[in-house]
Amino acid sequence: AQSVSQHNHHVILSEAASLELGCNYSYGGTVNLFWYVQYPGQHLQLLLKYFSGDPLVKGIKGFEAEFIKSKFSFNLRKPSVQWSDTAEYFCAVLVWDGGYNKLIFGAGTRLAVHP
Amino acid sequence: EPEVTQTPSHQVTQMGQEVILRCVPISNHLYFYWYRQILGQKVEFLVSFYNNEISEKSEIFDDQFSVERPDGSNFTLKIRSTKLEDSAMYFCASSWTTYEQYFGPGTRLTVT
Repeated sequence: AQSVSQHNHHVILSEAASLELGCNYSYGGTVNLFWYVQYPGQHLQLLLKYFSGDPLVKGIKGFEAEFIKSKFSFNLRKPSVQWSDTAEYFCAVLVWDGGYNKLIFGAGTRLAVHP
Repeated sequence: EPEVTQTPSHQVTQMGQEVILRCVPISNHLYFYWYRQILGQKVEFLVSFYNNEISEKSEIFDDQFSVERPDGSNFTLKIRSTKLEDSAMYFCASSWTTYEQYFGPGTRLTVT
């Protein structure tokens, strides 16, 4: 069955610390991977996506993610976090069924950045 | 930048009542979705809609749920007889292609 696992449910960091959020997926088809962010009181926003090509994907706000096929992973990184990065982060895989698709989400990681 | 909008932002209803959650997708998008997130749990797919019909639905999407695109701009989710366990945040999403989905701000449904 398709699934996405996010290993850390809560992460607390100080400003300027480096961030890595783990994501592993289970899906046998063509892999399209996403990271979404949900700031407090706001809707899900796309941070970055991987469809094909360079496995190191750069997104908005200084985030990047690396697709490692052999590890079924798509970890999110940021070298230096800011207080404004406090949010919940969701990893998702696009699953295809016939010509249609749906997103399968991980449970999310709540990040709190202290000044 | 165009956005997906949803109304209301918060809906409180009594068990057994019908609710309709409304979404206005981005205007040139062709694919529409509903997801829900029960408090403290992951975001779950409910249903996808294309060409005026359901293209896929999850096991959560039982006979109590229905979707409609009544007028070419709105996309609604109806729950006929709400249960306590329907309390959740409901997200609408739309996409132009089948790849990148844009999400609305969500409607928080509270069933009492």
